[in-house]
This record gives sequence, C-alpha cells and structure tokens, in this order.
Amino acid sequence: AQSVAQPEDQVNVAEGNPLTVKCTYSVSGNPYLFWYVQYPNRGLQFLLKYITGDNLVKGSYGFEAEFNKSQTSFHLKKPSALVSDSALYFCAVRDVASGTYKYIFGTGTRLKVLA
Amino acid sequence: NAGVTQTPKFRVLKTGQSMTLLCAQDMNHEYMYWYRQDPGMGLRLIHYSVGEGTTAKGEVPDGYNVSKKKKQNFLLGLESAAPSQTSVYFCASSLAGGIQETQYFGPGTRLLVL
Repeated sequence: AQSVAQPEDQVNVAEGNPLTVKCTYSVSGNPYLFWYVQYPNRGLQFLLKYITGDNLVKGSYGFEAEFNKSQTSFHLKKPSALVSDSALYFCAVRDVASGTYKYIFGTGTRLKVLA
Repeated sequence: NAGVTQTPKFRVLKTGQSMTLLCAQDMNHEYMYWYRQDPGMGLRLIHYSVGEGTTAKGEVPDGYNVSKKKKQNFLLGLESAAPSQTSVYFCASSLAGGIQETQYFGPGTRLLVL
C-alpha cells in the first residue's frame, strides 16, 4: 500500500534563510510525487511534481524538490524564504504500478516564515 | 475559464439530513476526485472517477455516494449526514497520466453537521 509521511507539523524559518519541508513515501512500484500549497480558506495549488527524468525538479515561486529513490524522499526546498511563503504544504504520491489513479496525501506541514 | 468550481461554499446540516455537493470543471479533464480535509489528517480521498459513469472508492468512502453522468460534473452525496462528516470537502480534476498529470482543486465546501 502506498503512504506518505510529513514528519513535521510545523517548520519555522527566518525570512531570507533557506527552507526545507520534508516528505518520505512508500510505494510498491515507481512513484509520481507532487507538492501542493494551501493558503488560508483556499483550495490546494500545484507547486511541482516528479514524474520521470531529472531528480531535481523546479516549480512555482522558486521552490524545488529532489527525488531521492534510495531514501524514498521528496523534500521541498527554497534557497531564500519569503514571509509570503507562509502556508500549509502537502506532499502527495501516486503508485504508478498500482494501475489506479489514487493519490495519497501527507498530513501537511505548516510553514511559518518570520520577518 | 473558471477551472474547478464547487457548490455550495458552506452548509449546515442536522444529523440524518441528506445533501449533494456539486463539482464542475471546464478544463475537459477525464478524472475527478472528492477529498475531505480534517485537522491533522491531511486530505483523504473519498471517491474518484476515471471517466463518464466510472467511479471508484478511495480511502474513506463509507457514508458517501457519487454520481458522474457528465464529463464535467462530479456529485458527492451524503444520504444521512453524521457529525463525523463535518469537514471541508475539496473536489479536484486532472488529465490522465503522464507529463500533464496534475490535480486542480476547487475552493472547497465547508460542511457542519449538528
């Protein structure tokens, strides 16, 4: 069965500092991996995804993530955090080998960027 | 291009009442999804559809039914609402797999069951 873990409920970082939001996954086959962001009282917005190819994926708003197959991780990173990055971040996985289009989401990590 | 829209935005129900949540998308996506979001639980998949008239169960399907008669609409029904169904419900749609695979989410429906 596929699963996703976001081990940190909240991450605090000072504005201008690099940020990392962690995500690990478990699937039986190859994963499709996604990051979404949710601002208060809004739906989720797509940030970036890993489908195939280069392990370093670049996405919206200066975010990037690295697919690490050996560590089964897909951590979200940004070199310099902005106060406006403060939001709830979700990692999601689809197990391609399952043949289904079911996505499993992590429990979310609240990012707080302090001015 | 409205993307994914959800109706209603907010609803209060009494235990035992029924209601239908409507999701509509204008992006010609084949796949549509219903999730619920609860504090500390993230998003959990209720039901999803992989084409007209074809639906499948997600992680938490009990107490819900769905209907997909048109490509652009996906209905979520609660036949007899329970307080445990108090949640924020999100609909999403996506193209089929491959490079274009990305979910687009609606703004959510906040449901309170008393």
